This record gives sequence, C-alpha cells and structure tokens, in this order.
Amino acid sequence: GAGVSQSPRYKVAKRGQDVALRCDPISGHVSLFWYQQALGQGPEFLTYFQNEAQLDKSGLPSDRFFAERPEGSVSTLKIQRTQQEDSAVYLCASSRTEQRREQYFGPGTRLTVT
Amino acid sequence: AQTVTQSQPEMSVQEAETVTLSCTYDTSESNYYLFWYKQPPSRQMILVIRQEAYKQQNATENRFSVNFQKAAKSFSLKISDSQLGDTAMYFCAFMGNYQLIWGAGTKLIIKP
Repeated sequence: GAGVSQSPRYKVAKRGQDVALRCDPISGHVSLFWYQQALGQGPEFLTYFQNEAQLDKSGLPSDRFFAERPEGSVSTLKIQRTQQEDSAVYLCASSRTEQRREQYFGPGTRLTVT
Repeated sequence: AQTVTQSQPEMSVQEAETVTLSCTYDTSESNYYLFWYKQPPSRQMILVIRQEAYKQQNATENRFSVNFQKAAKSFSLKISDSQLGDTAMYFCAFMGNYQLIWGAGTKLIIKP
C-alpha cells in the first residue's frame, strides 16, 4: 500500500487568491488530520476528521480556512483570500482507527503567499 | 493544556556515537501516548518510536530507544550507533485523545 500523498507539493499564490490543497490518506484509514508547520517550528493542529465527519476544527486559524472530506477518503483544505501569514507547510496525516494510534504523514504542501 | 518542550535546538555527533535527545511534557492526564518523529530535509515526517504511558517498559526499535520517566514527565530518545542517515529534525509529540501536541524540535547532525 501506498502512503499518504499530498498535492501539489509546492504552491505559490498571490495575496488574496484562493487555494485548495489535497490529501489522499492511506486506504482504509478512518482518521485524517491537517497540521500547519511554520518554518523552523513544530506542526500545529488544524482539524480532525473521523470518516466524513469533521469532529474538531478548533485549530483552524480563521474562517478563511475550510476543510472537507465528503466521502470519508480524500480531503481538501481550502484557504480563501490568502494572506502572507498563511505561508507554511501544510501536513496531512491519517490513522487506522479513531483514537490514540500512530499517525502517518504525507510529504506536505509548501504554500508561499507573495 | 498540554505542552511539550525540547530544550536542545541543535545537536551534532560523530558517526557511530550514541546521542540522547531530551523532551519534557506537561499534562494532567494519566493515560496518553508519546511519540518521536523524524523529519529529514525532504520534509516527510516519519514515525520513529511510540510509548504508551500505562506501560512501564521503555519502547525500543532497533537502534532507537526511549527513557520514559512518567513521574518526571520526561521522554528522551537515545540513538545508538548513529548513522549519516539519522541527520534530521526530531520532534517529540504528546497525544491525549487524537491530537498531536508537538515540541519545537531538535536539529540533529551526524558528522562523518
């Protein structure tokens, strides 16, 4: 089985543009997570899905950030009206069960807002 | 709220030496998980080792082992016989229910 994949790997957006970041989790994994990693820092939690249900979105920094996982598999993180402070690496992870299991990460999408 | 602290921003050792990376955490929970992840320059976050808080025995994975001191809330990673491929950022992470809380990372450089 393939690991977690993310696309695009790199995205450059002009300030004010909308972007969509895609995550394909490991097949059959129930849980999916998005994290934001600023340069030189540890990741920070954004949101958590269990199948198609978004159970926790407490880490989303503003209402410009929106995530979905409509069929319980692929997930998309959308950022509207991008700002320079949105520049970061966005990591997606999946986990086999609902709770307390190791998370497997994708390679990340590096977003640069100019 | 849980916090994770890695007090060593950067470390370097010679190839084949043993190195220990420090991690402390703060929580009021009694049941939780702790992880060490490795992030090479390629950026992919790779799981190194995992420890369940209810287990007294320290986890070991080949050259990687942990020293888990629950009362002291300490979770250090020991890398034996270090190799050039071990060069990476190492992150300590805490998990209560599902969310990973991360330290700031330690940059480890293995010198030939």
